Formats: sequence, C-alpha cells, structure tokens
Amino acid sequence: AVQLVESGGGLVQPKESLKISCAASGFTFSNAAMYWVRQAPGKGLEWVARIRTKPNNYATYYADSVKGRFTISRDDSKSMVYLQMDNLKTEDTAMYYCTATGTYWGQGVMVTVSS
Amino acid sequence: DVVLTQTPPTLSATIGQSVSISCRSSQSLLHSNGNTYLNWLLQRPGQPPQLLIYLVSRLESGVPNRFSGSGSGTDFTLKISGVEAEDLGVYYCVQSTHAPTFGGGTKLELK
Repeated sequence: AVQLVESGGGLVQPKESLKISCAASGFTFSNAAMYWVRQAPGKGLEWVARIRTKPNNYATYYADSVKGRFTISRDDSKSMVYLQMDNLKTEDTAMYYCTATGTYWGQGVMVTVSS
Repeated sequence: DVVLTQTPPTLSATIGQSVSISCRSSQSLLHSNGNTYLNWLLQRPGQPPQLLIYLVSRLESGVPNRFSGSGSGTDFTLKISGVEAEDLGVYYCVQSTHAPTFGGGTKLELK
C-alpha cells in the first residue's frame, strides 16, 4: 500500500528554521514529482514547493510566498523528500502535506510559528 | 498565476440529491501535449485531501462512480449523482497545466 509519512513538525519562533521530512513507500518514488502543500488553520490548500524527477534534473519550483526561504530536496535512494524552512514567519503556521503528483497524500505535519 | 474560481462556496444537500460544483480558470488548462491537468480532491473533516478525479474526467481507483467530472478549456464541473453521508467535506479543484494552483474550495454539508 502507498504510504507518505511526514515528520519533523513542531513549534518554533519567528526567524527560526525547521526541516520537515516525508518518507514514501508503495510506489516508484524516483518516477514521481513530489510536492509540499500547506493549509493554514481553517483555510484552503496552498501549494508550497515542487521537485521533479532525475530525468528532469530535479528541477524545483516555489510559491512566491516562500521563495528564498524554503528549499525542497529529495533522496531517491531513501524515498524521502524534505522541506527546509528558514526565516520562518507567523504566517507559515499550517499543516504541511507531502503529496506525490497530487495523487497520494500524507496525513500531514503541523508547523506552528509563534513567539 | 492561474486563478481557479469555485462556485458555490457552500452547498447544502440532502442524502440522495445530485449536486454540481463549478471550477472556472483564468486561463485555458489545455497543455501543449494535449492533456488538461485539472483534478478534483475531497477533504473530509480532519483528514488530508484525497484524489477523486484526474485529467478532468478520469475516476481515481476506488472512487465511487457517482462522482463524475467534465469540462474543457476554462470551465469544469464535478457532479455527484446521489450524495451520500461520506461525501461531506470540502471539494477542491486543482490545476497543474501551469504552476499548480488550487480553487478556493466548496463545502458540501447536509441540509
């Protein structure tokens, strides 16, 4: 069965950093574009970052709201995708979901940015 | 960025009623490769989103066939033919023809 399991969330202060991870299994990870999508409390879905596959040079794309602060990466040998979040802001508070091509979704990990 | 506008924002239905949700795009979602990358997701309360329909009208495996999608270009529709209790939640359209964007969501609730 397909599984995406996020980890690494928590409470941090503004301007701090946090790295969240997503462990994938049950599908050919190396063939899948991977995304991070977030949802602020009571709000809709917002695409955050995307990373393509090796044949596409692992190209990365970011929402304007996180560009220059967040970095998405992947390790195909471990079937893992990561999101390094630097200079966090209170408006980054959200549930962060890992998704494979928008087809498979993890349960999400909560990130709270507050002083 | 492509803006997806969903209507209505809230939908009240009785069990067994058929309902439709509209998703309109600010740009054509027809890709140069001939595909239209418009999907529909359902997010039940307290749950992550799940894929219902991809490429406008293709039903994801395991999704009941009371769900159907249609449309082209900039106008798309999700129809539920006979709402069941498990269908309640928020529906999102999402496009990836261009840089991915989500619609604002349509909350389906019981009347």
